[in-house]
This record gives sequence, C-alpha cells and structure tokens, in this order.
Amino acid sequence: EAGVAQSPRYKIIEKRQSVAFWCNPISGHATLYWYQQILGQGPKLLIQFQNNGVVDDSQLPKDRFSAERLKGVDSTLKIQPAKLEDSAVYLCASSLAGNNEQFFGPGTRLTVL
Amino acid sequence: GEDVEQSLFLSVREGDSSVINCTYTDSSSTYLYWYKQEPGAGLQLLTYIFSNMDMKQDQRLTVLLNKKDKHLSLRIADTQTGDSAIYFCAENSGSSNTGKLIFGQGTTLQVKP
Repeated sequence: EAGVAQSPRYKIIEKRQSVAFWCNPISGHATLYWYQQILGQGPKLLIQFQNNGVVDDSQLPKDRFSAERLKGVDSTLKIQPAKLEDSAVYLCASSLAGNNEQFFGPGTRLTVL
Repeated sequence: GEDVEQSLFLSVREGDSSVINCTYTDSSSTYLYWYKQEPGAGLQLLTYIFSNMDMKQDQRLTVLLNKKDKHLSLRIADTQTGDSAIYFCAENSGSSNTGKLIFGQGTTLQVKP
C-alpha cells in the first residue's frame, strides 16, 4: 500500500513570496490533516478535512494560509505572503476517518529567508 | 487548555532500557499515542493506549498510563542504536472528538554503542 505522498520535499523562498505544498493521501482515506512542525517542537494541527469539507481550521493563520481539498482526495496548502516564522516542516497525514490512526507523509521542509 | 510536556533528551547505552516520560492535561482524552520520528522522515506510530487501560505491552515496548496523575511513559527494552530518534507523546483532543492530536515537544533518544 502506497503511503502519504508530499511534494516538494524541500523549498527555499524569500519572505513575502508565495509557496504551495501538495499532498496525496492514502487511497480511501477520508480524513486529511496538515500539521506545522517548527524546529524543536511537536507538530501542530493547522487544518483537518473530512472528504472535501473543513472540520477544524482553528489554528490556521487565515490571513496568509489557505488550504483546499476540492475533490476530496489531493490537497494543497498555500502560504501567501510567507514570513520568516513560517520556516518549518509541513506534514500531511491521512486516516480512514477522524479518530482512526493517522499516517504521516515525509513532510516538506520550508525555509523562508 | 490542552498541553503535553516531555523531557527533551535521553541518552542510554545499547542494551539498556529507555524510559521516556510525558505528562498531559486533557483528562477527556480517549487515546494516548507514542510516535517515532527519524531524521528527515515523517512520524511513525509506535503504539497507543486507550485511556481506560493502565498498561500495554508490544514486543520491546511497554506503555504505562497513570490517569490520576496524567502521566504516560514509554519503556523500550534492550535499546538498540536503531532506536535513536525523536519520540513524541500525543493525546487526542477529547473536547473536539475529531481525531485532532496534541503533541509534546519530543524527546531525543540517543543510544550509544
């Protein structure tokens, strides 16, 4: 069974630029999560989708971050404009449904200069 | 609020037992988890415990839960160099019931040969 795929693996941008990350969850998984992991910290949930609907986006900085999962499968997370403090690893995870085991992708490491 | 705390670093010799400790605040959490993260990789679920249990054993791993003190520990028997990684404790957010995970900041386990 293929795992959660993410791209790109690494991205370096300058502050005020835009960036987008892509996630392909495990086939059949209805729930998709985006986490932000700042160096030295544990992952923090940014947004959770159930199919193509948002379940929880309470910790998403909506003035600069957006995410979509239009067809209930792949998802993109966008930052526009990026700030220095956005430097982190962005992890995507999926599960069959909420409250089931979450499977994590390898993450995208973002560096904002 | 919901919070998970872990010690930051543990160093052991190969063959010894490792014990990683965690405290949490949300008494309504139904599951508590241990994840492993190797350099450059996503998170891998090691084991979990249901909140009405006080112990779970899985091969070299033993999880102890003291619900009264909100204390969780992970014991790794016969620790190997391949166990070197960052270990995260996580609780599911009982208040949200959506599968949202609250992570600790991670404990770096260093195994010396």
